[in-house]
Amino acid sequence: SQQGEEDPQALSIQEGENATMNCSYKTSINNLQWYRQNSGRGLVHLILIRSNEREKHSGRLRVTLDTSKKSSSLLITASRAADTASYFCATDDHEAAGNKLTFGGGTRVLVKP
Amino acid sequence: SQTIHQWPATLVQPVGSPLSLECTVEGTSNPNLYWYRQAAGRGLQLLFYSIGIDQISSEVPQNLSASRPQDRQFILSSKKLLLSDSGFYLCAWSARGLGRDQPQHFGDGTRLSIL
Repeated sequence: SQQGEEDPQALSIQEGENATMNCSYKTSINNLQWYRQNSGRGLVHLILIRSNEREKHSGRLRVTLDTSKKSSSLLITASRAADTASYFCATDDHEAAGNKLTFGGGTRVLVKP
Repeated sequence: SQTIHQWPATLVQPVGSPLSLECTVEGTSNPNLYWYRQAAGRGLQLLFYSIGIDQISSEVPQNLSASRPQDRQFILSSKKLLLSDSGFYLCAWSARGLGRDQPQHFGDGTRLSIL
């Protein structure tokens, strides 16, 4: 199966609630990144967490990384309708050349106003 | 600032026809370049990546090929399209020589439909 599997595959919440999604991976990594994709558009980089970091914040985003469990989570606090998008985790594998990333299948988030 | 351009935005092609998708990056030099394909509602599959002119690696066997005629230009081609080539094609770049902790920056994609 794929490196970087997101869970859940889809999430529906009310505006103002928090959204949490998880990502699991299989190999040793240099870093793990989260991206956002609005429907029909390219991906936008949100946040990068290095393998020696455990938690990182950026605005309303909070990312955790547990390398012993090979998992990461993305928390979006106080969600807004504009946060409706698909969210992907991607791993920079330790042995990969060219800064290649391996993407998961994504979590589709719907924030209802 | 850096920008990435992909064209065309949408393309409808018959089976067996050739393909050429173009991607150019501005505002940076010596980028790593990538081509991905995304099936509807799915994640991204890396097709090709390039760490320099004439340095292109293929990730999956297929009837597609990639070329990098200039430092900041990446082209995805096919001589004969298959129905299975339908999808959303994304080009991306990342900075080279600045260490491994670099994000990738994506174009807006090309929606390819094969009839």
